[in-house]
Amino acid sequence: EPEVTQTPSHQVTQMGQEVILRCVPISNHLYFYWYRQILGQKVEFLVSFYNNEISEKSEIFDDQFSVERPDGSNFTLKIRSTKLEDSAMYFCASSENAGETQYFGPGTRLLVL
Amino acid sequence: GQNIDQPTEMTATEGAIVQINCTYQTSGFNGLFWYQQHAGEAPTFLSYNVLDGLEEKGRFSSFLSRSKGYSYLLLKELQMKDSASYLCAVRVLYGQNFVFGPGTRLSVLP
Repeated sequence: EPEVTQTPSHQVTQMGQEVILRCVPISNHLYFYWYRQILGQKVEFLVSFYNNEISEKSEIFDDQFSVERPDGSNFTLKIRSTKLEDSAMYFCASSENAGETQYFGPGTRLLVL
Repeated sequence: GQNIDQPTEMTATEGAIVQINCTYQTSGFNGLFWYQQHAGEAPTFLSYNVLDGLEEKGRFSSFLSRSKGYSYLLLKELQMKDSASYLCAVRVLYGQNFVFGPGTRLSVLP
């Protein structure tokens, strides 16, 4: 069964450093999403992406964040200058069409020191 | 604003039936999804309602009442592996993203 994959599974970085989180969505899906989950808290929406552009973003997704689809398979989330409060699990998800069931990847656990 | 409420924790016995409730007040509504999340893992899709009524998928059923802003997930014949958090997520009208509730942590005891 097709699934969303994410790399790395864990990332430790120093405050102020840039990180890039990678995702490979399910191949026939057209809509891609990033969510985050701070330890012990609820899953929060960051951004959705369709047709090579951002379709929706939350207040969390400020100028420090960017997303890109650099090729036909990868979807990346970049955090330009990480802060301590960026420590969280970051989930990538994809759906075949807008508003349909979203399938989540296994997540990248980011720790900012 | 968007507000979704779920009980924080529930406990049930192996073999029993448990109902996990979710209430929502959102600026729009275009479907409600239930996900299961084991600790440290990704949410996995369980069930979806967009119209009022009951949707059944094996041991899992989900119910929706749009007029009441209410849904529940029913788990039958509980197994130890059902110990997990259960997340209620609303797709807000005209939006593509989900708004997630805080999740209900279910413990299944022998």
